[in-house]
Amino acid sequence: EPEVTQTPSHQVTQMGQEVILRCVPISNHLYFYWYRQILGQKVEFLVSFYNNEISEKSEIFDDQFSVERPDGSNFTLKIRSTKLEDSAMYFCASSERAVNTEAFFGQGTRLTVV
Amino acid sequence: AQSVTQPDIHITVSEGASLELRCNYSYGATPYLFWYVQSPGQGLQLLLKYFSGDTLVQGIKGFEAEFKRSQSSFNLRKPSVHWSDAAEYFCAVRGGADGLTFGKGTHLIIQP
Repeated sequence: EPEVTQTPSHQVTQMGQEVILRCVPISNHLYFYWYRQILGQKVEFLVSFYNNEISEKSEIFDDQFSVERPDGSNFTLKIRSTKLEDSAMYFCASSERAVNTEAFFGQGTRLTVV
Repeated sequence: AQSVTQPDIHITVSEGASLELRCNYSYGATPYLFWYVQSPGQGLQLLLKYFSGDTLVQGIKGFEAEFKRSQSSFNLRKPSVHWSDAAEYFCAVRGGADGLTFGKGTHLIIQP
């Protein structure tokens, strides 16, 4: 069964450093998403991406964050100058269409900022 | 803006007993509704979804949910739980092409 894969599964970084979280969406999917889950809290939408541009972003997704689809398979989330409060599980998701379809989630990358 | 309320933070059920997890949503039009399950340290797995049509939807692992527009609810049910059902359950709503809005989750504990 096709699945969304994320790497790495766990990343530890020092405060102020830049991190790139990587995702390989399901191959025939056109819509890509990043979500965040701070430990013990709910999953929060960060950004959606379609046709090589951001289609929607939440208040959380400020100038510190950026997304990119550098090639035909990868979808990345870059966090510049990480802060302690960026520590969370980051989930990538993809869907075939924008509507009438579900999003499939990866296993997540646990980011720990120290 | 859409929102989701899961009023029960924790629920404890005996193995073999029936289960109902509550979910209320707020959205101006007909929403797309989902239930996801998250086992410890794992990602989110889709249990079931509602887009339109029959208001009682069947999902994986023996779960079902009923969409009630008049109550703005989408409660998840299972007639007989198994110990392996212990997990965190998230209800989510999606309006159109927007990203998902999740509830805070319900932590399900199964007693032997």
